[in-house]
Amino acid sequence: NAGVTQTPKFQVLKTGQSMTLQCAQDMNHEYMSWYRQDPGMGLRLIHYSVGAGITDQGEVPNGYNVSRSTTEDFPLRLLSAAPSQTSVYFCASSIQGNTEAFFGQGTRLTVV
Amino acid sequence: AQRVTQPEKLLSVFKGAPVELKCNYSYSGSPELFWYVQYSRQRLQLLLRHISRESIKGFTADLNKGETSFHLKKPFAQEEDSAMYYCALPSRQLTFGSGTQLTVLP
Repeated sequence: NAGVTQTPKFQVLKTGQSMTLQCAQDMNHEYMSWYRQDPGMGLRLIHYSVGAGITDQGEVPNGYNVSRSTTEDFPLRLLSAAPSQTSVYFCASSIQGNTEAFFGQGTRLTVV
Repeated sequence: AQRVTQPEKLLSVFKGAPVELKCNYSYSGSPELFWYVQYSRQRLQLLLRHISRESIKGFTADLNKGETSFHLKKPFAQEEDSAMYYCALPSRQLTFGSGTQLTVLP
């Protein structure tokens, strides 16, 4: 039982490049979410999904897209990377939005 | 709107001293609060939740509805407690505070 798996762990992008951060969970959780972690800002919600085919915006959605074609996977796409998107990204899953969330190990992204 | 405030970004205490990490919340309703911890180079993990009223690794947290607080306490801090601590309020989504970096000095 791997829990929540994120890939890659580290990534460096040039401004304007696009990429996808992968997230997979094997706990059959309906709820999945993406956060970014910045110094002094805590964890801010980017997008979330309450089930396959359903996604919604969080606090800081601009510049990011998500989709949820299966229960297990919830990829985060950066359409055109900007230096302001330099951050550590965490994927999480839970049974519901108000229950214990299980986190991936994080992706440290640097945009130059 | 729901909000979680952790007023201290950094907190340092000496080993063996008591430690209290502050958390205040704003929520219209009966809240259920969590404390998460992130040790160096590890993923975030749930430390404790108020509804279970448990003590984990010597930490406790009491929900004070009058003061809208959920402070995390430990009577005798250990060096291995050094970590980032987040208070979180679950409703439709988890809302996190900005976190407190705790350093326990030898």
